[in-house]
Amino acid sequence: RKEVEQDPGPFNVPEGATVAFNCTYSNSASQSFFWYRQDCRKEPKLLMSVYSSGNEDGRFTAQLNRASQYISLLIRDSKLSDSATYLCVVNIINGNQFYFGTGTSLTVIP
Amino acid sequence: DAGVIQSPRHEVTEMGQEVTLRCKPISGHDYLFWYRQTMMRGLELLIYFNNNVPIDDSGMPEDRFSAKMPNASFSTLKIQPSEPRDSAVYFCASSRGQPQHFGDGTRLSIL
Repeated sequence: RKEVEQDPGPFNVPEGATVAFNCTYSNSASQSFFWYRQDCRKEPKLLMSVYSSGNEDGRFTAQLNRASQYISLLIRDSKLSDSATYLCVVNIINGNQFYFGTGTSLTVIP
Repeated sequence: DAGVIQSPRHEVTEMGQEVTLRCKPISGHDYLFWYRQTMMRGLELLIYFNNNVPIDDSGMPEDRFSAKMPNASFSTLKIQPSEPRDSAVYFCASSRGQPQHFGDGTRLSIL
């Protein structure tokens, strides 16, 4: 079983829509969680960390459900510039083992 | 501040040749990671170092792959001999704790 699993999509949504991605992880000892964004032919870049109480950064909201072992990313009021692949990342030991999901592809349509 | 620097950005070579990828981590970061990304398999961790010492190389596909980190500011990933199935984007990332910061990657094509 993979450490981190994501729905690969693709998700095609109109501008202004709200879209949500989920990611499940298998190791209950997972400590830290992140969402990265990767544009086509570019490197992954940190979008936001995911905190236990949930956190928001503008149009983006991240949530963690430890009991069910999943994290989510909600994007409100989608922009064309949000089109990218979103990778969820789980860290098992501080600074050490990072596990990346395979990514969820999002295309925002005009 | 300079980010993670990788070279070359692109490499095209014939199978059987030796390939060396280079990485300079962000100054002060004590972890360095090498990843490979393909459409089929996504982002795969190959090896990572802590304070220049290899910690986990279980992701290195075969003996043809080797990685070194002679000092805190430099690491190499070498493939010898290279094969067409090694074609991928290779990323280096560094961190101090978390999260990781990625370089631009090396796009490798083995003909």
